[in-house]
Amino acid sequence: DGGITQSPKYLFRKEGQNVTLSCEQNLNHDAMYWYRQDPGQGLRLIYYSQIVNDFQKGDIAEGYSVSREKKESFPLTVTSAQKNPTAFYLCASSIRNPMNTEAFFGQGTRLTVV
Amino acid sequence: GEDVEQSLFLSVREGDSSVINCTYTDSSSTYLYWYKQEPGAGLQLLTYIFSNMDMKQDQRLTVLLNKKDKHLSLRIADTQTGDSAIYFCAENKNAGGTSYGKLTFGQGTILTVHP
Repeated sequence: DGGITQSPKYLFRKEGQNVTLSCEQNLNHDAMYWYRQDPGQGLRLIYYSQIVNDFQKGDIAEGYSVSREKKESFPLTVTSAQKNPTAFYLCASSIRNPMNTEAFFGQGTRLTVV
Repeated sequence: GEDVEQSLFLSVREGDSSVINCTYTDSSSTYLYWYKQEPGAGLQLLTYIFSNMDMKQDQRLTVLLNKKDKHLSLRIADTQTGDSAIYFCAENKNAGGTSYGKLTFGQGTILTVHP
């Protein structure tokens, strides 16, 4: 079945550590996105990529990094510079269409700093 | 203020209609979307509407768009307990031309359906 897979579902990190969240899609989508979800704040865009080897900062990129070496994969690293990393992280993908960004979402990774 | 705004909570009785409202700010948005999120899960696209339409109906769902007031609503007829979830509206910003669209979401409306 086609879809987006995020792993792991739950992740615990000690303060000061970097951690990488995985996102893989087999929908043949060019565009991929990372969002952060906090209660009562909706989804905020961290990074997005419209094509392999290219990505742009979203609204809250500080303390995060990404890579896009393969079309299918868009991993997100939460670095120790991110001051409040505990959140629910959602990855999405879409076809590269400026008019209609119908995005498909993964099931999310809940990151907790302990 | 927020680019896309929604009320945070809505409570209805099973069998009633639910109406979830949203206001947005970018008049250049070409498509507007409604997503549903169940607890601990990702977002599922429910429906979307093109900006030159006033209404779109899909089974129990009706989307109304007032482009003049930048107001979007989602009506769920005969609401069931399985409809309890968070509903997000989103607009496609930076659309058109050579730039590529990306979604801006509202805060989400928590719909609670009582038996």
